[in-house]
Amino acid sequence: GENVEQHPSTLSVQEGDSAVIKCTYSDSASNYFPWYKQELGKGPQLIIDIRSNVGEKKDQRIAVTLNKTAKHFSLHITETQPEDSAVYFCAAKGTFQGAQKLVFGQGTRLTINP
Amino acid sequence: DAGVIQSPRHEVTEMGQEVTLRCKPISGHNSLFWYRQTMMRGLELLIYFNNNVPIDDSGMPEDRFSAKMPNASFSTLKIQPSEPRDSAVYFCASSLTNLGRREQYFGPGTRLTVT
Repeated sequence: GENVEQHPSTLSVQEGDSAVIKCTYSDSASNYFPWYKQELGKGPQLIIDIRSNVGEKKDQRIAVTLNKTAKHFSLHITETQPEDSAVYFCAAKGTFQGAQKLVFGQGTRLTINP
Repeated sequence: DAGVIQSPRHEVTEMGQEVTLRCKPISGHNSLFWYRQTMMRGLELLIYFNNNVPIDDSGMPEDRFSAKMPNASFSTLKIQPSEPRDSAVYFCASSLTNLGRREQYFGPGTRLTVT
């Protein structure tokens, strides 16, 4: 089945700097890669996603890139703000049994220092 | 839109007791997912339903866990009997899976503590 590795597990950046979180996946048939942001005491919130037919997608300060050959994808946050502090999860859509299953990375705790 | 609704938000129970977690998906969504989140194992998919039918329950840890979806607007996850190692945050998520859409929307979770 699908396996998703995420790193780093913790990341601390100065406000205004950029943050990059990277994930690798194992199933070359996976075709959907969402990113979730989880704040303390809340459920994960979808912030951006990318499908395998594109290499990059951007939404304001957030961008995601996908390299299908290398089987890795990354989240880029520019001009970071204190409210970006949270745990971020990447995921890949597996192909097992109906292809609805998301496999999540272990998460990255991002801290923005003012 | 009210989003995915879960109840209770917090549950504290003693080992051996039955626990029932409830979920109301977003109206119109046809897929529902139950996840468990722990520090050790991260976010794990327990089971998911499509059009009220269980599709993949390979993540259900033991026979003590069961899930039902009697209609499109309600699902339950039951643990009987509960054990301390079941302590975790349980999330329900829903999605509309047509026309190639894949986005899953999570509820606020139920924090379960089994003493």
